[in-house]
Amino acid sequence: ETGVTQSPTHLIKTRGQQVTLRCSSQSGHNTVSWYQQALGQGPQFIFQYYREEENGRGNFPPRFSGLQFPNYSSELNVNALELDDSALYLCASSPRGGTNNSPLHFGNGTRLTVT
Amino acid sequence: AQSVTQLGSHVSVSEGALVLLRCNYSSSVPPYLFWYVQYPNQGLQLLLKYTSAATLVKGINGFEAEFKKSETSFHLTKPSAHMSDAAEYFCAVISTGGGNKLTFGTGTQLKVEL
Repeated sequence: ETGVTQSPTHLIKTRGQQVTLRCSSQSGHNTVSWYQQALGQGPQFIFQYYREEENGRGNFPPRFSGLQFPNYSSELNVNALELDDSALYLCASSPRGGTNNSPLHFGNGTRLTVT
Repeated sequence: AQSVTQLGSHVSVSEGALVLLRCNYSSSVPPYLFWYVQYPNQGLQLLLKYTSAATLVKGINGFEAEFKKSETSFHLTKPSAHMSDAAEYFCAVISTGGGNKLTFGTGTQLKVEL
């Protein structure tokens, strides 16, 4: 069983640039969630995708956007990067449309540094 | 909104000693609660979850947690710490609105000393 994989593992961008992070969900999982984990903090929910539609969003500005593809993989896009966007971005997949009790399986994350 | 508070950002124990990591929740309805562990440069791994089936929940690696409604707590314990337990631990609650969108605490870094 293949787990959640994220790419790239590390990324350095300049303020104002745009970035795309990628996530492949665990086999059999149709729901993907994205979290931002700033240094020394707990992960913060960005949004969730189910059946290629956004299924809930946290308190993040519109320059954070996402996609889910028919194979359930997902992308997180961030436009107009700011220094505060520097963080570990975690992708998590889950089965059954993200219902209560369905556990999240996390990838190892993408470490984004904005200079 | 539902939230969790983790008391103590850093906890240090001796190998073989009891591990106690504290988590208190705020929720107006029965919550779903989780403990996750994060090793350096890795994602989060689920240790255990509370879903109202039983108040004492057993998880992986010898960890367990007890749901106490009267204290609004869900503390994580392990009878005997091992060096490999050194990691960051996060308590989390299902957010209002259902689904499995988690709200995490700020984490507790566990250090295990010889």
